Amino acid sequence: KQEVTQIPAALSVPEGENLVLNCSFTDSAIYNLQWFRQDPGKGLTSLLLIQSSQREQTSGRLNASLDKSSGRSTLYIAASQPGDSATYLCAASIIQGAQKLVFGQGTRLTINP
Amino acid sequence: DTGVSQDPRHKITKRGQNVTFRCDPISEHNRLYWYRQTLGQGPEFLTYFQNEAQLEKSRLLSDRFSAERPKGSFSTLEIQRTEQGDSAMYLCASSYLRTSSHEQFFGPGTRLTVL
Repeated sequence: KQEVTQIPAALSVPEGENLVLNCSFTDSAIYNLQWFRQDPGKGLTSLLLIQSSQREQTSGRLNASLDKSSGRSTLYIAASQPGDSATYLCAASIIQGAQKLVFGQGTRLTINP
Repeated sequence: DTGVSQDPRHKITKRGQNVTFRCDPISEHNRLYWYRQTLGQGPEFLTYFQNEAQLEKSRLLSDRFSAERPKGSFSTLEIQRTEQGDSAMYLCASSYLRTSSHEQFFGPGTRLTVL
C-alpha cells in the first residue's frame, strides 16, 4: 500500500529565502508525482507534474525533482514571496487502474514579509 | 475551458438528512475522480469513473454513499443519512485518458458541515 509523507508539517521563513519542501513515498512503482498548492478553504491548484520517466520539472520559481529509487521528491521555491504562503501537497499516482492519487498531509508554508 | 466546477460550494445539513453534490469536469475529460479531505489532512480517494462506468471504489465509500456519472459528463455524489463524521471537503478532479501524463485537475470543492 502506497504511503506518502511530507516533512515538515509547517514551515515559516522570511521573504526572499529559497526553500525546499520534502515528500517521500513507500512504493517506487508510481505513474507520476504531482505537487499542488491549496489556499485555506479552497480547492487544489496543480503546480508541477513529474512523470515516472522524468527527473525534474520547472515552472517559474518552482522546481520539482523526483528520485524513484529513494522514494523522494522535493519542491524547491526560489526567492519566496508572501503570496507563496499556502499548504503544499504532494501526491503519488498509482500505476494500476485509475492512477488514483495518494496524498501526503501537506506542508503549511508561511512567508513572513 | 472553464475548469472543473462543483456545486454547491458549501452545504450545511442536519444529521440524518440526504445531500447531493454535483461535479462538472473539464470538457472532453473522460476520467473523473472524487476525493474527500478532512481538516489538516491530505485528500483521500473515494471513487473513479471512466466515461460513465464507475470502475473503482474505496473502502471509505460506505453504502450510504453513491456516485453516478450518467452519459459520461457531469457526476453526482449522494450521501444518505448523513453523520457528523461525514463533515469534510469533497473534491472532484478530472483528467484526459489520452494524454500520457494523466494529470488531474481539481475543482474548488464542496464543504459539507453536518450538525
